[in-house]
Amino acid sequence: EDQVTQSPEALRLQEGESSSLNCSYTVSGLRGLFWYRQDPGKGPEFLFTLYSAGEEKEKERLKATLTKKESFLHITAPKPEDSATYLCAVLNNAGNMLTFGGGTRLMVKP
Amino acid sequence: NAGVTQTPKFRILKIGQSMTLQCAQDMNHNYMYWYRQDPGMGLKLIYYSVGAGITDKGEVPNGYNVSRSTTEDFPLRLELAAPSQTSVYFCASSATGGRSPLHFGNGTRLTVT
Repeated sequence: EDQVTQSPEALRLQEGESSSLNCSYTVSGLRGLFWYRQDPGKGPEFLFTLYSAGEEKEKERLKATLTKKESFLHITAPKPEDSATYLCAVLNNAGNMLTFGGGTRLMVKP
Repeated sequence: NAGVTQTPKFRILKIGQSMTLQCAQDMNHNYMYWYRQDPGMGLKLIYYSVGAGITDKGEVPNGYNVSRSTTEDFPLRLELAAPSQTSVYFCASSATGGRSPLHFGNGTRLTVT
């Protein structure tokens, strides 16, 4: 059974204070690891897909990296508008179903 | 472009009542999904569809039914609502399934009392 664990559950940062969110996973053949951002009262919004260990993707202040056991979402010099819940999900070789982690709630104070 | 539209946004049901959650997408996506989200538990897949007339069970299908008569619409039916079905329900679509990113609606918050 595929499993995804995200840590920490919640993270409070000051504006400009860089940090990382962790996504640890076990999966029977990784086809892709996905990061989504979710604002309160909204549906998740796609950020990145990573396909193999060593791959990195960047978007503005966010950079996602992937190893064989975990992914990190690095946030550089965050702003209050980066406050959201960040979700990680994995897709295995077998089918069409994503397995999601419980998310990390990020709060950035001005 | 509306994307994925879900109605209603909020609903309160009494135990044993039934209802249908509506989902429509205007992106001509073949794949559509229903998820439920409980606090701290992550999104769980209820049902999905790979095209009109084709549906399949996800991880937590018990107590729910779906149909897919058109590419655009994918309603979720709750029969005999139970308190365990209190949750936020999200509909999503993707172009080709698999690695294709999901596009989510803004959810329906359902309370069963």
